[in-house]
Amino acid sequence: DQQVKQNSPSLSVQEGRISILNCDYTNSMFDYFLWYKKYPAEGPTFLISISSIKDKNEDGRFTVFLNKSAKHLSLHIVPSQPGDSAVYFCAAKKTSYDKVIFGPGTSLSVIP
Amino acid sequence: DAGITQSPRYKITETGRQVTLMCHQTWSHSYMFWYRQDLGHGLRLIYYSAAADITDKGEVPDGYVVSRSKTENFPLTLESATRSQTSVYFCASSDFKLETQYFGPGTRLLVL
Repeated sequence: DQQVKQNSPSLSVQEGRISILNCDYTNSMFDYFLWYKKYPAEGPTFLISISSIKDKNEDGRFTVFLNKSAKHLSLHIVPSQPGDSAVYFCAAKKTSYDKVIFGPGTSLSVIP
Repeated sequence: DAGITQSPRYKITETGRQVTLMCHQTWSHSYMFWYRQDLGHGLRLIYYSAAADITDKGEVPDGYVVSRSKTENFPLTLESATRSQTSVYFCASSDFKLETQYFGPGTRLLVL
């Protein structure tokens, strides 16, 4: 049973608009969450993270929101750019040094 | 070059053959990981290592063997390849003090 879920396999957004990628988790012990971005034929790269003591973390155009009571997090990209087209993996772990559990990924296409 | 490299990048083999995928990192990171990426499953952890000569199973270890005699190398061996092991394999590393894992470019393996 998947502990980290990304229920939208794909998402298309117009350039300049907001992209919202959603992630749900089942294990209430997770206290650190990450987003990775992956281009074709490359390895994933770290994008942004958030710990459970926060409900929002911002880095430039990227913002991650965490709702612990709902076991839900989301990644907002504003404004979306064609170069943001990639697969985005949500990931979670119980401690800062524990194994990371990845979701299945959401493929984002930003249309010029 | 500094970073994390994987070889080969592409491999075709036959059922029953032994295959070894290589991973090398130049950062002297303590932790190294092997993941496989399959459609619908995202990244699943096969094995990981906290230091030289210390390895542990991940989520899907069956059919795989790892070793870590040197900090910088973490080879993954499929002792008798099966078609279900057709996948893209990613190696990653991280410093035990950091949360971010750095991924290699991946090895695409096809088992016929």
